[in-house]
Amino acid sequence: QKEVEQNSGPLSVPEGAIASLNCTYSDRVSQSFFWYRQYSGKSPELIMSIYSNGDKEDGRFTAQLNKASQYVSLLIRDSQPSDSATYLCAVPNFGNEKLTFGTGTRLTIIP
Amino acid sequence: DADVTQTPRNRITKTGKRIMLECSQTKGHDRMYWYRQDPGLGLRLIYYSFDVKDINKGEISDGYSVSRQAQAKFSLSLESAIPNQTALYFCATSDQGLAGTDTQYFGPGTRLTVL
Repeated sequence: QKEVEQNSGPLSVPEGAIASLNCTYSDRVSQSFFWYRQYSGKSPELIMSIYSNGDKEDGRFTAQLNKASQYVSLLIRDSQPSDSATYLCAVPNFGNEKLTFGTGTRLTIIP
Repeated sequence: DADVTQTPRNRITKTGKRIMLECSQTKGHDRMYWYRQDPGLGLRLIYYSFDVKDINKGEISDGYSVSRQAQAKFSLSLESAIPNQTALYFCATSDQGLAGTDTQYFGPGTRLTVL
């Protein structure tokens, strides 16, 4: 089993709808989780981090964490064409020395 | 000016050539990382460094070497480039924050093609 798994997509969502991106991880001791956004040809940038079970909201973005199920998700409400990008889930190793990234989910928002 | 810079931005080279990719940062961070990105494989860690005297291998270090010349500079070398090293290379930095709170900041990337 890969350490961090994501559906590669592509995921197509109509403008204004909710986009749901999912990530599972294998290391049960992981304490923190990150979502990076990467536009085509650009570098990744952090958009959300979450450390506790439950939901964390930031504007149109909501991260959801369920440590028992080893599952973290990212919801994007009122999706905009500018949200079209690849979304990378990242999980640090036990010592927080390095991140392991998923392969990313490519999201396309359809106007 | 950008906080994390990479040079060159694009490079085409031939098999067997020695190549150096350079990374500089003005964020004052101690931790620096080199990744490569391939379609369908995501970001994979090549090497990372927590200070000038601390260099660590990542998951795919074979065929690569690094040098941490100063806190702000971290170079990646391909001693003898081969075609399967064709990829997009990213440098990243992070601050030594509380456990689990590090954010990694990425440079713009270097697109390397080995013919």
